[in-house]
Amino acid sequence: GAVVSQHPSWVICKSGTSVKIECRSLDFQATTMFWYRQFPKQSLMLMATSNEGSKATYEQGVEKDKFLINHASLTLSTLTVTSAHPEDSSFYICSARKENLLSADTQYFGPGTRLTVL
Amino acid sequence: KQEVTQIPAALSVPEGENLVLNCSFTDSAIYNLQWFRQDPGKGLTSLLLIQSSQREQTSGRLNASLDKSSGRSTLYIAASQPGDSATYLCAVSPRDDKIIFGKGTRLHILP
Repeated sequence: GAVVSQHPSWVICKSGTSVKIECRSLDFQATTMFWYRQFPKQSLMLMATSNEGSKATYEQGVEKDKFLINHASLTLSTLTVTSAHPEDSSFYICSARKENLLSADTQYFGPGTRLTVL
Repeated sequence: KQEVTQIPAALSVPEGENLVLNCSFTDSAIYNLQWFRQDPGKGLTSLLLIQSSQREQTSGRLNASLDKSSGRSTLYIAASQPGDSATYLCAVSPRDDKIIFGKGTRLHILP
């Protein structure tokens, strides 16, 4: 199988603090991981594409200095929400792309992290 | 810009009924289309993936169809069960590394 984990599963923090969320591919290596954000009753919106060993690619409207992404190894990407504010409260989901030699690559999704900023 | 629309936004049906969820997308140039299931506060579970060259995929009681030219897909659930209650997300990939999601259909199966 292909399993992706996220840590923590939920976090509550005070406004102005920074929060780090980890995304790990447990049984495969992923050169590319993706970070999504989902507001209540809304669709998942891609925030950025995380590439191992290089800078992340951010979607239009996502502040790269606020949402720091580090993909230092083939199994770990981290998203740091800096100086968090209540409007950053959301459900953050990562996915990892597993490369298949004989078929199309597949993205596997983590269980998500619920961030609440007070 | 690719947009994905799912209708209805919410649906309640009695247990045992067959049902259809609809998905439409504005740009027919897609790499593939996927249907996901999301339970409240949880991540995503991939249900079915249809490549752009395919017309349908089946898994157990689920059948997904794809009409790329008209920008439509349907997810058919046979003999619905209370455990099928969840949000179902339709997503398209304009290329092999990007996924665009719809807002989902919240399905509630009444026991």
